Amino acid sequence: EPEVTQTPSHQVTQMGQEVILRCVPISNHLYFYWYRQILGQKVEFLVSFYNNEISEKSEIFDDQFSVERPDGSNFTLKIRSTKLEDSAMYFCASSIITVEAFFGQGTRLTVV
Amino acid sequence: GDSVTQMEGPVTLSEEAFLTINCTYTATGYPSLFWYVQYPGEGLQLLLKATKADDKGSNKGFEATYRKETTSFHLEKGSVQVSDSAVYFCALILTDKLIFGTGTRLQVFP
Repeated sequence: EPEVTQTPSHQVTQMGQEVILRCVPISNHLYFYWYRQILGQKVEFLVSFYNNEISEKSEIFDDQFSVERPDGSNFTLKIRSTKLEDSAMYFCASSIITVEAFFGQGTRLTVV
Repeated sequence: GDSVTQMEGPVTLSEEAFLTINCTYTATGYPSLFWYVQYPGEGLQLLLKATKADDKGSNKGFEATYRKETTSFHLEKGSVQVSDSAVYFCALILTDKLIFGTGTRLQVFP
């Protein structure tokens, strides 16, 4: 069964460093998303991406964040200068239509 | 704004007990509704969905009915198993972003 794949599963980075989280969405999907879950809290929407551009973003998704689909298969989330409060589980998701999103296993980001 | 409210956990049950996890929503339009499940150490998996009022979503013995009059989408299962232990998230979608509830942890003991 096709699935969304995220790498790495766990990333530890120092505060102020740049980090790139990688995702390979399901191949025929058109919509791509990033969500995050701070430990013990709710899953929060970060950004949606369609037709090579951001279609919606949340207040969390400030200038420190960016997304890219560099080669037609990968979908990346970059955090330019990480802060302690960026520590969270980051989920990538993709969908053919917006109603049903498939999630990856997540990348746990720890900022120290 | 649009939001989802779930009952707080943890919910602790014995195997074969009946499960209800309450979920209500607030939305400006007519959302689609979902239940996602997160097993320990894993990502989010879609459990079931309903796209319009009175629809019933079902999967793996779990059911939920979209009730527009009470703005609810309660999750039920007639007989839970130890393997159902997980965190359950209710969610809605209006445009193209999911809005999640806080999640309810279910613990099932033999």
